[in-house]
Amino acid sequence: QKEVEQNSGPLSVPEGAIASLNCTYSDRGSQSFFWYRQYSGKSPELIMFIYSNGDKEDGRFTAQLNKASQYVSLLIRDSQPSDSATYLCAVERYSTLTFGKGTMLLVSP
Amino acid sequence: EAGVAQSPRYKIIEKRQSVAFWCNPISGHATLYWYQQILGQGPKLLIQFQNNGVVDDSQLPKDRFSAERLKGVDSTLKIQPAKLEDSAVYLCASELSSYNEQFFGPGTRLTVL
Repeated sequence: QKEVEQNSGPLSVPEGAIASLNCTYSDRGSQSFFWYRQYSGKSPELIMFIYSNGDKEDGRFTAQLNKASQYVSLLIRDSQPSDSATYLCAVERYSTLTFGKGTMLLVSP
Repeated sequence: EAGVAQSPRYKIIEKRQSVAFWCNPISGHATLYWYQQILGQGPKLLIQFQNNGVVDDSQLPKDRFSAERLKGVDSTLKIQPAKLEDSAVYLCASELSSYNEQFFGPGTRLTVL
């Protein structure tokens, strides 16, 4: 049974701070790792993906992957109130995604 | 480029009734997915199509759920008969080919009374 674990939150941070979102997964054969953002009542939208160990940066977002620890994280720098949403971690194997329950992020002005 | 289209957006039915959802993927996208998202949970894959063939339906409750993708384009997902626990948002996603970005439609919110 493939599992993806996330703290449900909410994670509250002040505007301008760094938000750190974490995810662990059970399937060692997982190949790629995705972070989706989902606003309330909306569908998920892809923020970024990573498939190699280390860091990957895209604007204010940095994804970090440690396959040995089966751990992936998302850092959001200079958090904005518009970043308030649920962040879904998804793990891919053989083109199939398994999602975590998501972490709710609240950024206060 | 038009996104993934789904209809209806909302549906309310009573338990034991039947319901069908429709999805039109982004033009040219070969892979199509149906997910079920229960409130407070992440999306759960129900079925994956590659063109008009089924790639993965291991989590589809086949005693009541069925899906088809005729001609490798539009897809329908049917529930017959519905149960209270089927209340969820049903998301359709499409992908140019496997291992690319999945684009999600707006979803259909189903309430079973």
